[in-house]
Amino acid sequence: AQKVTQAQTEISVVEKEDVTLDCVYETRDTTYYLFWYKQPPSGELVFLIRRNSFDEQNEISGRYSWNFQKSTSSFNFTITASQVVDSAVYFCALSRFNKFYFGSGTKLNVKP
Amino acid sequence: DAGITQSPRHKVTETGTPVTLRCHQTENHRYMYWYRQDPGHGLRLIHYSYGVKDTDKGEVSDGYSVSRSKTEDFLLTLESATSSQTSVYFCAIGRGNTIYFGEGSWLTVV
Repeated sequence: AQKVTQAQTEISVVEKEDVTLDCVYETRDTTYYLFWYKQPPSGELVFLIRRNSFDEQNEISGRYSWNFQKSTSSFNFTITASQVVDSAVYFCALSRFNKFYFGSGTKLNVKP
Repeated sequence: DAGITQSPRHKVTETGTPVTLRCHQTENHRYMYWYRQDPGHGLRLIHYSYGVKDTDKGEVSDGYSVSRSKTEDFLLTLESATSSQTSVYFCAIGRGNTIYFGEGSWLTVV
């Protein structure tokens, strides 16, 4: 069975702080994909990143970076120098055979 | 823009009435999904489809049925709505090993 755990229900930071959102997954498969999605207060779900299980290279995109570690079954997401516009709910997900399993989400509040 | 349209976007209905939510895609993708989002539960898969007339259950399928008679349309039906089905429903399409969502349908069962 596949499972995604986001233990942080809600995080509050002050603007310009760095923040890391944790994601731990469970799967017995060796081939899978991992994802992060953002849901801003307006409600839409926005795709941020996809990694496949064979690619453990960390990725950086502007202020966003992702750390994938198979040894700990984690796929953490760091926002550097957070901004108010980063306030949203962030979901981590895992897919296998075109079925997608989501964590319960982490609500990030960035205060000015 | 993933070319997904959900209708209706907002609906209030009474307990015991049937409700159908429609998901329409413009890009001819094979995989389509229905999720519900509830506080504390994240996104949970209700049903999904991997082609016309090919559907399968997700983790929270009780009380829901789906149909896909055309590639572009995936319908979710609540046969007899209950208050526990008050939720936000998201349709999604699979494209390039990634899932993309529609804008959501807010359903309130009173």
